Amino acid sequence: QKEVEQNSGPLSVPEGAIASLNCTYSDRGSQSFFWYRQYSGKSPELIMSIYSNGDKEDGRFTAQLNKASQYVSLLIRDSQPSDSATYLCAVSGDKIIFGKGTRLHILP
Amino acid sequence: GAGVSQSPSNKVTEKGKDVELRCDPISGHTALYWYRQSLGQGLEFLIYFQGNSAPDKSGLPSDRFSAERTGGSVSTLTIQRTQQEDSAVYLCASSLRVRQYQETQYFGPGTRLLVL
Repeated sequence: QKEVEQNSGPLSVPEGAIASLNCTYSDRGSQSFFWYRQYSGKSPELIMSIYSNGDKEDGRFTAQLNKASQYVSLLIRDSQPSDSATYLCAVSGDKIIFGKGTRLHILP
Repeated sequence: GAGVSQSPSNKVTEKGKDVELRCDPISGHTALYWYRQSLGQGLEFLIYFQGNSAPDKSGLPSDRFSAERTGGSVSTLTIQRTQQEDSAVYLCASSLRVRQYQETQYFGPGTRLLVL
């Protein structure tokens, strides 16, 4: 059974601090990794995608991938109240599998 | 450009009735996915289409659920003899799938189904 694991949270982070979201996956054949943000009552929207080991930065967001450890993370710098949402990790190999998401709460 | 659209946005039905949910993917997207999300839960994969064929329908919870896609575009998800546990948000997503492993999925707004 291929799995994607995330801490359900809630993860509470003070405004302006760095939020760190983590995800582990079981399928070593996975090739593509995605972070989606989902606001309450809304559908998921893509934040970041990463395909190779290392870091990928886009504005305040940094995705980190370590295939040897089967670990992918998302860092959000200078956290804002608008970042409060559920963050879904998705891993794609021969099929795409979503984690159950981590609820992030930015404290004003 | 137009995103993924779904209809209806909300559906209230009585237990035992059939419902049909529609998804219009982004033009040119060959891959289409259906998911179900219950309140406070993660995404539950239902079925995946590549073109008009469904190579993976492993997530359909029972034989009351079926889906089809025509013309490589519109897809319908049909739930027969609905049960209260079918109440959820049904999300559709599409992707370009240029390369097998590099696919960003774009989600529609969902259909909120309530079975009374």
